[in-house]
Amino acid sequence: AQSVTQLDSQVPVFEEAPVELRCNYSSSVSVYLFWYVQYPNQGLQLLLKYLSGSTLVESINGFEAEFNKSQTSFHLRKPSVHISDTAEYFCAVYKAAGNKLTFGGGTRVLVKP
Amino acid sequence: EPEVTQTPSHQVTQMGQEVILRCVPISNHLYFYWYRQILGQKVEFLVSFYNNEISEKSEIFDDQFSVERPDGSNFTLKIRSTKLEDSAMYFCASSAMGGRGYEQYFGPGTRLTVT
Repeated sequence: AQSVTQLDSQVPVFEEAPVELRCNYSSSVSVYLFWYVQYPNQGLQLLLKYLSGSTLVESINGFEAEFNKSQTSFHLRKPSVHISDTAEYFCAVYKAAGNKLTFGGGTRVLVKP
Repeated sequence: EPEVTQTPSHQVTQMGQEVILRCVPISNHLYFYWYRQILGQKVEFLVSFYNNEISEKSEIFDDQFSVERPDGSNFTLKIRSTKLEDSAMYFCASSAMGGRGYEQYFGPGTRLTVT
């Protein structure tokens, strides 16, 4: 069975500092990986995804994630965070059988001025 | 921008009561899902629905749960006899098609509190 582990439940970070959110997965088959973001009182929004091709994927708001097959990781990074990046971030693996997402436990990012 | 909507935002019910959580998926989407998140735990898949049938369900989705698309716009989750452990945030999602490349769009959630 697939599982997703987000090692950090909370990450406090100062504005304009870099941040890395760690995600590891376990799967014996091809993986399709996603990061979702949940802003306060809102639903989950897709931030970026890896399906195939380049192992480095980017979002429109400066986040990037790198698929590392040997380390079974898909860590999310941003070189300089803004206050508006305060949110909870979820890593997820797509399972074709059943057409469903398996989520990690989430990492709450609190950006401080 | 089209979005998934859910009502109510918060539902309080007594143990043993039936609840219906409502969702309006994005209008041209064909696949629908329910997920839930118990406080402090992971977001968990409950069920996927396509062509008026359940296509996949998790072990959580037992006989107390049912889903329905009663008309062309709504997608509902019914819990027949709620238990305390059903207290959670319930997320509805929809996607244009199935498959890895098709984003699942999530609603804002319904917080269900069973007392």
